[in-house]
Amino acid sequence: GQQLNQSPQSMFIQEGEDVSMNCTSSSIFNTWLWYKQEPGEGPVLLIALYKAGELTSNGRLTAQFGITRKDSFLNISASIPSDVGIYFCAEFQGAQKLVFGQGTRLTINP
Amino acid sequence: DTAVSQTPKYLVTQMGNDKSIKCEQNLGHDTMYWYKQDSKKFLKIMFSYNNKELIINETVPNRFSPKSPDKAHLNLHINSLELGDSAVYFCASSHLASGGSTDTQYFGPGTRLTVL
Repeated sequence: GQQLNQSPQSMFIQEGEDVSMNCTSSSIFNTWLWYKQEPGEGPVLLIALYKAGELTSNGRLTAQFGITRKDSFLNISASIPSDVGIYFCAEFQGAQKLVFGQGTRLTINP
Repeated sequence: DTAVSQTPKYLVTQMGNDKSIKCEQNLGHDTMYWYKQDSKKFLKIMFSYNNKELIINETVPNRFSPKSPDKAHLNLHINSLELGDSAVYFCASSHLASGGSTDTQYFGPGTRLTVL
């Protein structure tokens, strides 16, 4: 199956900084999803994107569906300690098969 | 009021044993899944069930056998456990939307399996 290339693999930032991560694919998809996984928990959906060019916000989080339909980015503004976790992009390959990127591990220094 | 629950949270066992992980969802969803997350945090789908019918089986060894007694439960039984089976296993559930696509998948807290 197709792979999602997510970068960076990890980020170490200071509290208050903005964060940006992205995901690319060699194939065109109709949906981009961004999940967050906190330690000891399962992934939780943050933002879902359904149209090329779509820009969607959820509080301090903003995600965009690339025009080429092969990429997406997630931005976090003014990071706070509770933003720590692993962020995954994901796409549907087929109706029910959710495929995840490798994840971006975010660490925040207070 | 837990949405998707899994038991046990931790499972430590010897190679060669048979073990089961249970999953229950109280969201009224009709589709349930099992995912495996390896030590590098890579998350990969294993199975999906819709209304107790197997829909996705992602080249998982036949030592893994999911069983869905009803729409709210999807259990995972693993025979002859191997060292490489050590991972975190996540259950998830969703609605099957119109046109065969699925709505948001809600994940359980995971079961950390350690095979010694």
